[in-house]
Parts: sequence; C-alpha cells; structure tokens
Amino acid sequence: GAGVSQSPRYKVAKRGQDVALRCDPISGHVSLFWYQQALGQGPEFLTYFQNEAQLDKSGLPSDRFFAERPEGSVSTLKIQRTQQEDSAVYLCASSFTGGYMNTEAFFGQGTRLTVV
Amino acid sequence: KNQVEQSPQSLIILEGKNCTLQCNYTVSPFSNLRWYKQDTGRGPVSLTIMTFSENTKSNGRYTATLDADTKQSSLHITASQLSDSASYICVVEYGGATNKLIFGTGTLLAVQP
Repeated sequence: GAGVSQSPRYKVAKRGQDVALRCDPISGHVSLFWYQQALGQGPEFLTYFQNEAQLDKSGLPSDRFFAERPEGSVSTLKIQRTQQEDSAVYLCASSFTGGYMNTEAFFGQGTRLTVV
Repeated sequence: KNQVEQSPQSLIILEGKNCTLQCNYTVSPFSNLRWYKQDTGRGPVSLTIMTFSENTKSNGRYTATLDADTKQSSLHITASQLSDSASYICVVEYGGATNKLIFGTGTLLAVQP
C-alpha cells in the first residue's frame, strides 16, 4: 500500500484479555517502530525492528508486551492480560533505512486501545 | 534524562495570524530535530528535519529554527489557516546506539475564523 497501515483502528478489550495489534509498513522499509501515545501526551518509544531483528525493546513497559516481525515486513504488537493503564493509541512507524538516520519516518493512523 | 519540552501547551489564534511554537531539549547525543503535525485521530506527519548544522528550514508556511548551542527550536507558522488546527510535536532523534525518536508532548493549536 501507499502508507503504513494499522489494524484494527479501534479495539475495546476487557481487563485481562489478550490483544494483538497489526502493522503493515511501507513495502521495502527496513526499520519499524512501535510507539504508545496516552491521551494528551506525545508518543513514547516501545520497540524497534531492523528487518526481522528486534534491536531495541527498552520501551516495552512490562513483560506483558511482546512484539514480533518474523519475516521483516508485517509486525504484531501483543499485549497479554490487558490492564486499564494499557489504554492508549499504539502507533507504528517505518522508515527506509536502518535506524532513522535523518530519513523520513512514516506513521500509521494508530490503533486506539480501550481496556474496560 | 533525555527530554523534549514544548511551550505553550495550547494556543488559540485567529485565521490569518502568525504564531511561534517553542521546543527545548536535553537529548544527548543529538542526531536531528523534527517537527511533526498530528491531526486528531491521525498519525504524526513530518514537517521539517534539521541536523545540528542547520539553523533554519522552511516547508511552505512553516519555518523551523534550531539553535544547537542552547538546544532550542521554534516552529513559526505564517498566515495561519483553519486546517493548521492540530497538535505540533517537536521530536529529537537520539544519536546513541539505537536511533529512537524522543517526542515532546506537543502544542495544541486551534485556528479560529
């Protein structure tokens, strides 16, 4: 596709439920990033992939958060046993080169997760 | 701690007026500074990218400045339009082992007719 695509756009989960968020980056983009954006805040870094390798997962808030990109294209962010504080917009971004290296990073529209 | 702070938090201006948004950062090592526009319910869209050697960059009615010595940046919007209503986020790319983007909390701009 022409841009970064994320699905679903909206997800309502009951507390304790597992969720999976999908990101389709721009074709050919090497780098993929996940960010968490709480209401009224700027996005905060979660994790970074270069192709299929997860090079940085320092931003994942707990071991309930897991991300993968097995074939170096589509990525999935999984949250186990969701809690109310997980409610946020989850943004995915991709860029052509490894790391940002002054190149454009393109963001998807995000998945708004609400945990009730 | 690597941080990006923006001011004001929110701003209301009349259509056609100019405005300037401020950004201070403490990120080190520094790679570049970006300004993004985020419309409600959308992902951020890049407006400008500046390295430490650039002190001004324009994109249409948007002009960004950077003072790498004082670690300050500004985004000036000229002749504002209703469609400029959005959150403007200052983002610094961390130049360490992993090039991650560190986001400010944004300035929410409302342009009124």
